[in-house]
Amino acid sequence: QQPVQSPQAVILREGEDAVINCSSSKALYSVHWYRQKHGEAPVFLMILLKGGEQKGHEKISASFNEKKQQSSLYLTASQLSYSGTYFCGTVRSGTYKYIFGTGTRLKVLA
Amino acid sequence: EAQVTQNPRYLITVTGKKLTVTCSQNMNHEYMSWYRQDPGLGLRQIYYSMNVEVTDKGDVPEGYKVSRKEKRNFPLILESPSPNQTSLYFCASSLFGGGSYNEQFFGPGTRLTVL
Repeated sequence: QQPVQSPQAVILREGEDAVINCSSSKALYSVHWYRQKHGEAPVFLMILLKGGEQKGHEKISASFNEKKQQSSLYLTASQLSYSGTYFCGTVRSGTYKYIFGTGTRLKVLA
Repeated sequence: EAQVTQNPRYLITVTGKKLTVTCSQNMNHEYMSWYRQDPGLGLRQIYYSMNVEVTDKGDVPEGYKVSRKEKRNFPLILESPSPNQTSLYFCASSLFGGGSYNEQFFGPGTRLTVL
């Protein structure tokens, strides 16, 4: 089953913050985050490999709670360029299959 | 320039007419993968390849074939396309298997319509 992301969609004004959550019913050993702009291919943002790990990428950061099988993506002081669909992803335990989360559509308005 | 290329970018075809979508990467990556993206269903893995001559099914392999005879190429074959295979297809590659420790690089996508 796909990791479930919440919210499904969010609209922000420039400068506002947002949190996107990714929750899995199965054990997560690593979490990846991607952003896809409309009509384009997904682009890698970051990987979190260990429980408790946090990473930052410009004003976008993420955390990974291995015990809760959750990851969160934090977007601070959002910019118009942050608009797009965000996906979490992971490798299925015991396989080399890759699975993406359900996706979160984010729109930043001026 | 490091990249993943796909061809064609757009294709309209008819039911039952065999087609191949090519994918090539110039990064010497071992792992390559095909995904389809449909509204409301997100990105789903069709097939993946760990290395030359090593391929395995993803979540939605029915109606598709792949081959990996060279490291750089990973074509997707639809032997008898049907309208339910109308979708946006992405090829991706990463350095090692599974993408667990590596980011995946995506091609630009192929929009396929089967009439």
